[in-house]
Amino acid sequence: KAGVTQTPRYLIKTRGQQVTLSCSPISGHRSVSWYQQTPGQGLQFLFEYFSETQRNKGNFPGRFSGRQFSNSRSEMNVSTLELGDSALYLCASSLVGTGFPGNTIYFGEGSWLTVV
Amino acid sequence: AQKVTQAQTEISVVEKEDVTLDCVYETRDTTYYLFWYKQPPSGELVFLIRRNSFDEQNEISGRYSWNFQKSTSSFNFTITASQVVDSAVYFCALSEAMNRDDKIIFGKGTRLHILP
Repeated sequence: KAGVTQTPRYLIKTRGQQVTLSCSPISGHRSVSWYQQTPGQGLQFLFEYFSETQRNKGNFPGRFSGRQFSNSRSEMNVSTLELGDSALYLCASSLVGTGFPGNTIYFGEGSWLTVV
Repeated sequence: AQKVTQAQTEISVVEKEDVTLDCVYETRDTTYYLFWYKQPPSGELVFLIRRNSFDEQNEISGRYSWNFQKSTSSFNFTITASQVVDSAVYFCALSEAMNRDDKIIFGKGTRLHILP
């Protein structure tokens, strides 16, 4: 079955702009979580959505937001982009919530965002 | 507090050599799950294995093997007869059954270079 699909794969934005990234989870998966990966900070958890509700949020400013649709697809938005937002944004999906014991999360290929 | 430490930031070995990636974790829970993911240059994190805290049997899958030792809180990953295609960043992760934060914690990753 199809894996986690993220679009776009690569994008370049200018400081101050906003960006929306999209994620389609594996069919049947209801949980979508987002991570930011940078060389210095590693993988950092942004937020998780389950059945259209945000279940958990990491330590990121309010410029980072997300939502989930009834078909489990998710989008994340970053407003007023800063140079430091340049990163690989990874989406992961799972059948149930991320923290559910033993639940495995499956990742997409990520969206490479460069802010100039 | 939960924590995953991958002390090896970067490792280089010559093809066909064996290599072991270390993972040490901290948790107060008696029930928890450990994971390994592989991230090739394309960006996607590929799920490799999940192990629960009650199963200390070592696992072997082809050239890959995992050594789980609760006594030392370690979950090490060995690649036997390494190949160039094994070059990637490898992440160890921890999920606790009683995780209040309800998320998976990732280590910083180990970048593995397999030299031809």
